[in-house]
Amino acid sequence: SYELTQPPSVSVSPGQTARITCSGDALPKKYAYWYQQKSGQAPVLVIYEDSKRPSGIPERFSGSSSGTMATLTISGAQVEDEADYYCYSTDSSGKGVFGGGTKLTVL
Amino acid sequence: EVQLVESGGGLVQPGGSLRLSCAASGFTFSSYWMHWVRQAPGKGLVWVSRINSDGSSTSYADSVKGRFTISRDNAKNTLYLQMNSLRAEDTAVYYCAREDIVVVPAAFDYWGQGTLVTVSS
Repeated sequence: SYELTQPPSVSVSPGQTARITCSGDALPKKYAYWYQQKSGQAPVLVIYEDSKRPSGIPERFSGSSSGTMATLTISGAQVEDEADYYCYSTDSSGKGVFGGGTKLTVL
Repeated sequence: EVQLVESGGGLVQPGGSLRLSCAASGFTFSSYWMHWVRQAPGKGLVWVSRINSDGSSTSYADSVKGRFTISRDNAKNTLYLQMNSLRAEDTAVYYCAREDIVVVPAAFDYWGQGTLVTVSS
């Protein structure tokens, strides 16, 4: 079955740039979406269609995709950005798939 | 205001059945595709199933295919997940999520608060 691979954890100091990657064979043909989930809360969409930012999401969140890898970048990460981040896409049959998640630590 | 409220979770024995519901309000439910996503305790998000706007097309993760059935009642603005032959590994918080069609196409723009399903003897 189709898989999206993320690093388990990323750690940065406040103000630094955090980059979270997501690799998958179908990403050249399928969009990537990124969700932020804070402890005990439902996920929140932070990036859609590889690089678009929903209304209300801070400009420090950006996304890109090249080949089989999508990247979520948080420029000038803040303490409140500490959360789990998940990439999401679909396989060739339209089934959804999430990456394993990346725990972002900002301290 | 868009709201998705799940219900129906609880403790069930292995091999048992449970039906989850997701009551939708604040939007035209019949226009949107809907999904179920689950999260085992301390683990990541896992996509489970989706249904198109009129219920004529469904899709399932391999791990639940043949055991779970997604359905909807557009007259009642409610999404369902019938879960049969439950296993310990189905223990998770189950979220329903709306797939947007306009502002953020194909993204999950609204999520419910989740309902916990525990499969244990």
